[in-house]
Amino acid sequence: SAVISQKPSRDICQRGTSLTIQCQVDSQVTMMFWYRQQPGQSLTLIATANQGSEATYESGFVIDKFPISRPNLTFSTLTVSNMSPEDSSIYLCSVVKEGNGYTFGSGTRLTVV
Amino acid sequence: GNSVTQMEGPVTLSEEAFLTINCTYTATGYPSLFWYVQYPGEGLQLLLKATKADDKGSNKGFEATYRKETTSFHLEKGSVQVSDSAVYFCALISNDYKLSFGAGTTVTVRA
Repeated sequence: SAVISQKPSRDICQRGTSLTIQCQVDSQVTMMFWYRQQPGQSLTLIATANQGSEATYESGFVIDKFPISRPNLTFSTLTVSNMSPEDSSIYLCSVVKEGNGYTFGSGTRLTVV
Repeated sequence: GNSVTQMEGPVTLSEEAFLTINCTYTATGYPSLFWYVQYPGEGLQLLLKATKADDKGSNKGFEATYRKETTSFHLEKGSVQVSDSAVYFCALISNDYKLSFGAGTTVTVRA
């Protein structure tokens, strides 16, 4: 299966600032997704990262708050903009590779103070 | 749309007890079904999966059978250990490759 390197693994940020999370995959993958896991909650899909075009956002998530890039088939970034304490969550990158199914990154644990 | 309903926790058991976590789903088409596990302080790991009706997924002593007639994918383990303490998520993936997760069930196994 694909191996994902997600950075940073954790961060503590001041409210009003932005954080960019990187997701690097060791091989080309068909699809890349970004999920959020709020404290004590399940995982919620934020968006599908589309290679070479704008991401596709789920209901309740917007590009201004969560801009996403995917310049090629192995790399994507998620930015959490103008952060507030409510953005404190674990953010996970996940990929689908043909024949190998779904793989998750180890996650970025974000705390906003 | 797709949805997963999972037995609410928390669940507390003694070692060697039998564990069942119920999971039912609503989906269009023919989804694949998964159980993921999240151990304390760790990331999400795939525990087992089933891709079609009547398939049984199994791993680490856990089993779940894809029941299309009851739209269920209940997780079972005959004899749990302290090391099985974790949060368990039922999930499905349909034609659009998006995973839909249940709320998660926290399981604590006491020695």
